[in-house]
This record gives sequence, C-alpha cells and structure tokens, in this order.
Amino acid sequence: DIQMTQSPSSMSVSLGDRVTITCRASQDIGNYLSWYQQKPEKSPKLMIYGATNLEDGVPSRFSGSRSGSDYSLTINSLESEDTGIYFCLQHKQYPYTFGAGTKLELK
Amino acid sequence: QVQLQQSGAELVKPGSSVKMSCKASGYTFTSYYIYWIKQRPGQGLEWIGRIGPGSGDTNYNEKFKGKATFTVDKSSSTAYMQLSSLTPEDTAVYYCARRREGFDYWGQGVMVTVSS
Repeated sequence: DIQMTQSPSSMSVSLGDRVTITCRASQDIGNYLSWYQQKPEKSPKLMIYGATNLEDGVPSRFSGSRSGSDYSLTINSLESEDTGIYFCLQHKQYPYTFGAGTKLELK
Repeated sequence: QVQLQQSGAELVKPGSSVKMSCKASGYTFTSYYIYWIKQRPGQGLEWIGRIGPGSGDTNYNEKFKGKATFTVDKSSSTAYMQLSSLTPEDTAVYYCARRREGFDYWGQGVMVTVSS
C-alpha cells in the first residue's frame, strides 16, 4: 500500500498566518492527490484536487503544490473559519490511502 | 444540487450485520462511482472500496474483503453497503462519497456502534 506521511499532526496558528501542511507519498502517485478539510461532526470537504487545482467555491487563499513526492497545502492569511482537520488522499493506486491528518487550531 | 443522503445511525450487537444506504440525487447516478470510507472515533480515514452504479463493478480494500459488500439499486439511485460479523473495531462513522476529480460530494455519514 502507498503510505501518505502527513506533517505536522497539529498546528497552533494565529489569524493572518501563512500555513503549510505536507504529505509525502511512499511511491509515485503523480498528481492523484487531493486535500480535504473536516470540521467537527461534519463530513470532509474537498479543497484541492489534482494536487494543485482549487475546488469550486474554495477561497483563493488555499493552494496546492507538488515537489517530487512531497505535496503541500498552503493557506495564505489564515481566517478563523479555516480551523479544523486537514487530510490528504492519494487515488493513484488501490487501496486509496489518506494521510493521518493535521489539526489546525487558533492560538 | 448534488446530494448523497445516508441512512440513520445504527446500534448493533457483536456478530451481527448492518446494511446502510446512500441515496444520490441531483446528478446521473450511473455516471460516477460511489466510494465508501470509514472513520473511527477521533481517528483518520480509511478507504473501504467503491462500486460503479452502472456496471455493478466493485473494488475492495483487501482489509475489508469479507467484511463489506456493496450493492446498488439503479431504480432508486441508491447505493448500499453491508457490514458483516461486526466487532467493536467496526464502531465508526461510514461515509459514502462521489468521485469526480476528488471526492467532491459526501454523505453526512452513518454512525455504527457495535455493542452488546
């Protein structure tokens, strides 16, 4: 199975901060990588697909990038509504696998 | 608008089975695979597998073979997942989701609690 190593596991951040979350894939997944935000007691929400593409309706302060096997989600100028847990997902190869999640909290 | 409406929470006994539903609306049901995902309380996400509503084609995570069974009813645009031989480790929220580029629509989740 492809392992998705996500870091950090948690972050305590301030409003207006620039935040970067990273997933490293254990094998080549190309751009078959998406990012999700999950709020407490809610379903995950697609934020980024194809490693770099912003889902419709997602604020432009969110962006995705790739460097080799490292995939990053960046939030520019964090807003309070951006708190929650963020997961990456690879859907290149079965079984699809998720990162362990990054919990984003306000200081 | 696209919606995936899942059935309600279940409290079941160890060793029993449960069948949950995921009713799709707002799009052509047979055009997109339905995926099933498990989330244990306070834990991350696990991909269980997928079913193609048009073909009935299925793919399962090896970990869930023998545990999960997917079916669809095209007439009602509903996908089903049955979980068998339930143990406390099956206590989780189970989501259905549609995949376009990513998983763009999710159901609200079904909380399954396995307890005697």
